[in-house]
Amino acid sequence: GAVVSQHPSWVICKSGTSVKIECRSLDFQATTMFWYRQFPKQSLMLMATSNEGSKATYEQGVEKDKFLINHASLTLSTLTVTSAHPEDSSFYICSARGGISGTDTQYFGPGTRLTVL
Amino acid sequence: GENVEQHPSTLSVQEGDSAVIKCTYSDSASNYFPWYKQELGKGPQLIIDIRSNVGEKKDQRIAVTLNKTAKHFSLHITETQPEDSAVYFCAASGRYNFNKFYFGSGTKLNVKP
Repeated sequence: GAVVSQHPSWVICKSGTSVKIECRSLDFQATTMFWYRQFPKQSLMLMATSNEGSKATYEQGVEKDKFLINHASLTLSTLTVTSAHPEDSSFYICSARGGISGTDTQYFGPGTRLTVL
Repeated sequence: GENVEQHPSTLSVQEGDSAVIKCTYSDSASNYFPWYKQELGKGPQLIIDIRSNVGEKKDQRIAVTLNKTAKHFSLHITETQPEDSAVYFCAASGRYNFNKFYFGSGTKLNVKP
């Protein structure tokens, strides 16, 4: 149980285009989903937290107009990188948390490698 | 906010030996501490977790200990195998801020056959 999928697993796009990444919880309902960014050999950097049906809460320094997050259902959240530039190239990972307990864990997706040319 | 420090950054052990990774946290309100294993090019995978009302938890070759007073917790891997080679992250989570996780900087474990 507690499987989270991401699509696509990798994407290459041209500078100036937008890219959408999907995150799905396959066997549980995710009340909260998180989006992280990870640079090579570094830790996970939280970008934003989203609750189903609510606006996402962005971390300080993350541009909400550039990284659009939608959490339309209890099993799907999307991250859209708008007008992508080479500096947006990174490994993007989502996680999902379910249940009502305040200490439920986060289950991570396999990640999406974004390369902007 | 919470600050989690993790040591060592790299750890090399011989197959069969034990490995210990340590983390400290700053916020005494943190009450949940998961450990994740991340293989190259993949997402983190939960390997064990512990809640603040427990001092130790074990799952086969993996154990985690928590010292609330000192605000540190450790991951212990016994009888290491080459497939244990990966990057390990600790995290701490509190009751607020949607239960955000504060991650350590990671430990690259290399198990030499």
